[in-house]
Amino acid sequence: EAAVTQSPRNKVAVTGGKVTLSCNQTNNHNNMYWYRQDTGHGLRLIHYSYGAGSTEKGDIPDGYKASRPSQENFSLILELATPSQTSVYFCASGPDRGGNTLYFGEGSRLIVV
Amino acid sequence: AQSVDQPDAHVTLSEGASLELRCSYSYSAAPYLFWYVQYPGQSLQFLLKYITGDTVVKGTKGFEAEFRKSNSSFNLKKSPAHWSDSAKYFCALDPNTNKVVFGTGTRLQVLP
Repeated sequence: EAAVTQSPRNKVAVTGGKVTLSCNQTNNHNNMYWYRQDTGHGLRLIHYSYGAGSTEKGDIPDGYKASRPSQENFSLILELATPSQTSVYFCASGPDRGGNTLYFGEGSRLIVV
Repeated sequence: AQSVDQPDAHVTLSEGASLELRCSYSYSAAPYLFWYVQYPGQSLQFLLKYITGDTVVKGTKGFEAEFRKSNSSFNLKKSPAHWSDSAKYFCALDPNTNKVVFGTGTRLQVLP
């Protein structure tokens, strides 16, 4: 069974602090994604990656950085967290061809105070 | 640019009724279309997808969806609905660029 795990599951951060959300997948998928979910917006793509060493900007990349050090791991980094980044973040993995299913992690709830 | 519209933020119906959740998309080429479901407190799970071929696709949990190119729709259907179907449903478009676009979701409540 495809598996994507995220950590931490819950995080409270202070404004201006640094936050790192981590994602690990055991599916051997080339593609990995970071989405945020907010009421009224559905899921919005922040960053994605085609493989180790690559990161690409999604639709809302401002204020976020990403890192893909290996096939299995994909991190989302908030260098200077702001209250507007309070959200639920989902990591997903998928094969590198269109039309394939995405496999999602359990989500990370971030509150920036 | 591609987009997905789910016009109904909330749908409420009684157990045993038929459900139909609406989804329309905007994309200039042949689309890959998906439905995902998110149960309360959980992550998103794949439900079904349309790639090509038969315009009615069947998925898990008794759901099916009909692709209609004429009006750019991909509505999700199930009959009869069960209280356990209460969840949030997302329609998604994969434009074959690895950037999947999601709709805003429809929260379905099925009353027992």
